[in-house]
Amino acid sequence: DADVTQTPRNRITKTGKRIMLECSQTKGHDRMYWYRQDPGLGLQLIYYSFDVKDINKGEISDGYSVSRQAQAKFSLSLESAIPNQTALYFCATSEPGTDQPQHFGDGTRLSIL
Amino acid sequence: GQQVMQIPQYQHVQEGEDFTTYCNSSTTLSNIQWYKQRPGGHPVFLIQLVKSGEVKKQKRLTFQFGEAKKNSSLHITATQTTDVGTYFCAGPSGGSNYKLTFGKGTLLTVNP
Repeated sequence: DADVTQTPRNRITKTGKRIMLECSQTKGHDRMYWYRQDPGLGLQLIYYSFDVKDINKGEISDGYSVSRQAQAKFSLSLESAIPNQTALYFCATSEPGTDQPQHFGDGTRLSIL
Repeated sequence: GQQVMQIPQYQHVQEGEDFTTYCNSSTTLSNIQWYKQRPGGHPVFLIQLVKSGEVKKQKRLTFQFGEAKKNSSLHITATQTTDVGTYFCAGPSGGSNYKLTFGKGTLLTVNP
């Protein structure tokens, strides 16, 4: 979805490095999400934010932190990267409500050596 | 916590054959969503089902929501190579804090 932009698209880094993945959206949605995708494991929720002042942990938040700098920006940080954090990371947005679809960015492929 | 299970994990078909993936939730769902992820792409929303027993069609795709609102299925008639990808179901969870719990997906490959 071109309205949800993730940077970088690919990143290779070393164990112990700090990494930030960025997500910006022009959809005007209040809700933003970070997911991790591993082969065969589907999409696992890392963190989600319902507005700038509301940030919540997901299923697998250990080793990750987030920052909601503005309604349109939600960044994910790995403070000290480890190899098992190698994965495909997706940002998504949605409108409020239990029946609203999520709109995904193109993803960031992260490799930690 | 809530679990959403999908079967099969993989399905390989010949072009023209039918395909079905099944989704089961451990809890009753207010609605269920289906997404498709093409190889190398990102998940894209396909459809949402809300009512008990609801059936919706999109061309060759038929989506059903179970009477008890705990299971759902996606059926593709006469598959084409463009149907290749991973199909995910997802249901809301977390009480008043809306978030989606995704199934692990079914990877469909189509032999031309």
